[in-house]
Amino acid sequence: DTAVSQTPKYLVTQMGNDKSIKCEQNLGHDTMYWYKQDSKKFLKIMFSYNNKELIINETVPNRFSPKSPDKAHLNLHINSLELGDSAVYFCASSHLAQETQYFGPGTRLLVL
Amino acid sequence: AQSVTQLDSHVSVSEGTPVLLRCNYSSSYSPSLFWYVQHPNKGLQLLLKYTSAATLVKGINGFEAEFKKSETSFHLTKPSAHMSDAAEYFCVVSDRNNQGGKLIFGQGTELSVKP
Repeated sequence: DTAVSQTPKYLVTQMGNDKSIKCEQNLGHDTMYWYKQDSKKFLKIMFSYNNKELIINETVPNRFSPKSPDKAHLNLHINSLELGDSAVYFCASSHLAQETQYFGPGTRLLVL
Repeated sequence: AQSVTQLDSHVSVSEGTPVLLRCNYSSSYSPSLFWYVQHPNKGLQLLLKYTSAATLVKGINGFEAEFKKSETSFHLTKPSAHMSDAAEYFCVVSDRNNQGGKLIFGQGTELSVKP
């Protein structure tokens, strides 16, 4: 009965590879987000989608491409992975007007 | 622009003693404020939120926070710490007038609880 789920939980890969992280929410929310948590535990928003439409795109490299096939899913594809991409990536969801965001368990990405 | 500053990067308390985690905010508009907790290798869990109703907000696990507009503060407190409270705590601000539901996180405060 997980509200916001992410797969995979851990991802170890080589520089230059392309990888995807998937997120699903069963809360009926209309807005989903990706956040990045760096090695110092600082969290910053990357993207936000409302009803499958991109509404926030922070200054994230073009190598990162979010895709929302429907309101319940928001995937993150990363091309040409770099060492600096190593981080924990969190998915979240909310009803836009309510603002309270519910977070997934995170995907720990390590680029070697 | 909105911002939030957590005044302590690390707080250490003994079990059974009070907890105080300090947070100051800056917002052009009437803010929504949140505290989230992150246990080691876990996701983020909402502790409590302030949205201009009562200035004293009660959350889960005995935590509460008081919104003080004059001091632009939103400090988190708990009367008696438990070992299970050891975690990273984030103070978060959201501008109600923003589009997209953008949350701005503080730098985090690591709470250690000694037996």
